[in-house]
Amino acid sequence: EAQVTQNPRYLITVTGKKLTVTCSQNMNHEYMSWYRQDPGLGLRQIYYSMNVEVTDKGDVPEGYKVSRKEKRNFPLILESPSPNQTSLYFCASSLRQPAGYNEQFFGPGTRLTVL
Amino acid sequence: QKEVEQDPGPLSVPEGAIVSLNCTYSNSAFQYFMWYRQYSRKGPELLMYTYSSGNKEDGRFTAQVDKSSKYISLFIRDSQPSDSATYLCAMSTGGSEKLVFGKGMKLTVNP
Repeated sequence: EAQVTQNPRYLITVTGKKLTVTCSQNMNHEYMSWYRQDPGLGLRQIYYSMNVEVTDKGDVPEGYKVSRKEKRNFPLILESPSPNQTSLYFCASSLRQPAGYNEQFFGPGTRLTVL
Repeated sequence: QKEVEQDPGPLSVPEGAIVSLNCTYSNSAFQYFMWYRQYSRKGPELLMYTYSSGNKEDGRFTAQVDKSSKYISLFIRDSQPSDSATYLCAMSTGGSEKLVFGKGMKLTVNP
């Protein structure tokens, strides 16, 4: 089954304790992205990756890191989480083409609470 | 002015009603217009996609784009309780994969 998986689905942690949220896709997609979703603010892009070893900042990158060492995996790293990073996080992927529209496939989400 | 504006609702309608969801945008370079549906505790899923202006119909759903007014709509006919979800509009220029999302409208269809 074609899918984007994220782990963990739920996480409660404390300020300053480094954490990683994993994301994996099995569709051989080139483009991957991380979003956070907050009430009243909608979906906001954190980081994206056009391909292996190619990453770039989205709209709200502060406090986050990413890496793309393999095509299928795109982990999100919070080196020193703070309460304002409490949010619902989504990983997404799409098959990149030179131009035109690409459907983005979303993972099931990770609900993170930072105390 | 934000690039994409969407009334966050919430909107509550009786079963069988016609629902109209709307977004406005400011970037005239947008060419690809999408509607994503997000059920509670799930990730968004693509519902409909339209290129440039015009209408597109898929069963009970119709997507409309009016580029002259920078306005897009999603109509749901004969709405069902299973349509209860958050609907997000999304747009892109087509030159990259970046999508710009509206904030999402939460719809509840009551039996």
